[in-house]
Amino acid sequence: QSALTQPASVSGSPGQSITISCTGTSSDVGTYNLASWYQQHPGKAPKLMIYEIYKRPSGVSNRFSGSKSGNTASLTISGLQAEDEADYYCCSYAGIGTFGVFGGGTKLTVL
Amino acid sequence: EVQLVQSGVEVKKAGESLKISCKGSGYSFTTYWIGWVRQMPGKGLEWMGIIYPGDSDSRYSPSFQGQVTISADKSVSTAYLQWSSLKASDTAMYYCARLKTNPGAAFDIWGQGTMVTVSS
Repeated sequence: QSALTQPASVSGSPGQSITISCTGTSSDVGTYNLASWYQQHPGKAPKLMIYEIYKRPSGVSNRFSGSKSGNTASLTISGLQAEDEADYYCCSYAGIGTFGVFGGGTKLTVL
Repeated sequence: EVQLVQSGVEVKKAGESLKISCKGSGYSFTTYWIGWVRQMPGKGLEWMGIIYPGDSDSRYSPSFQGQVTISADKSVSTAYLQWSSLKASDTAMYYCARLKTNPGAAFDIWGQGTMVTVSS
């Protein structure tokens, strides 16, 4: 099972909005509404930011939002802040036999 | 507080065996799936496999099937990841994480990670 496809890097200035895409196939993102997004700061464990396409765990800022169109899930961060600079990973369920698959990760730089 | 606490740093030689652990607390350990995620140095996250501590039902990603064994001991609220013969390519950070609900769900609680270094 190939990893989901994410851009290697994105950047934005404080206050701006950015969107990170996560492209899969009809076997994973396209079929299941189970895409999730994780934030990872250097040397730290990942943190769940979005689950089931658009849902936010308690405590996650509403500046983070998720969506899906076809085989592509997206994470949008509005009102960029310096603390948002991190690596972001998407993940999707890929059915019985494969179960879960992550994207390759996107490094977000806040200029 | 809901948390997963992993065992400490491991430094091993190729060919040796290893078992690392992940202890859950603050929630009903037997009713949530626990998964393992690999992160090789400077690389991304990889989904390895999951286990349901209530009955030890385990599932593996095809990439890791046969390479590792996932187990759990519900009497001590602990999940394990083990290797019978380590390779240098097993050098990585390994995270355990709790699934919110079913095997397709997101990982909502993460352990702090266990760094495994294997020398050839």
